[in-house]
Amino acid sequence: DQQVKQNSPSLSVQEGRISILNCDYTNSMFDYFLWYKKYPAEGPTFLISISSIKDKNEDGRFTVFLNKSAKHLSLHIVPSQPGDSAVYFCAAISSGGSNYKLTFGKGTLLTVNP
Amino acid sequence: GAGVSQSPSNKVTEKGKDVELRCDPISGHTALYWYRQRLGQGLEFLIYFQGNSAPDKSGLPSDRFSAERTGESVSTLTIQRTQQEDSAVYLCASSLAGGLGEQYFGPGTRLTVT
Repeated sequence: DQQVKQNSPSLSVQEGRISILNCDYTNSMFDYFLWYKKYPAEGPTFLISISSIKDKNEDGRFTVFLNKSAKHLSLHIVPSQPGDSAVYFCAAISSGGSNYKLTFGKGTLLTVNP
Repeated sequence: GAGVSQSPSNKVTEKGKDVELRCDPISGHTALYWYRQRLGQGLEFLIYFQGNSAPDKSGLPSDRFSAERTGESVSTLTIQRTQQEDSAVYLCASSLAGGLGEQYFGPGTRLTVT
């Protein structure tokens, strides 16, 4: 039973346009969410996070939106660049439980075309 | 380098053999984690170390899997009597402390059991 779902295995966008990566979760105990980016043959690297007390967090070109009632979050990248091409993983934590255990989605492969 | 390192980067083994995977965390990081990623799946939590103790081994798939950490540094994940379903990328991560601290991942060991 997948608790974090990324329903789009892949996404292709044009350079300069917006990329929107989506993530849904089922466990209502999750209250902290992270996005990781992974290039081939490398480990995931942390990108941006959001606590459930917020509905938006922005860092440069990256913004994460959280809709708690819908148990949905999204990562917006604008403008998209070819170097953003990677697999993006959504992950969640329950801070009141095992607050070190990241639960990951399956990832979305983003391709940004020049 | 100052990042998390793992060895070997690739390992091919015959079914039934034992394998050892090594992780060198970032110096000073007290928390260490093992995850695995099977083909087409997200990362699955295996085990968490705080110092040399493993307060959470709940993700280890079977008793063929074990891990230890010494000197609050290097960790070894051992898989005995490997099976084909053990084929995956095994990823190690470390963080300054447990909890919501950012986890830094190594590049992983790709294990193939033939």
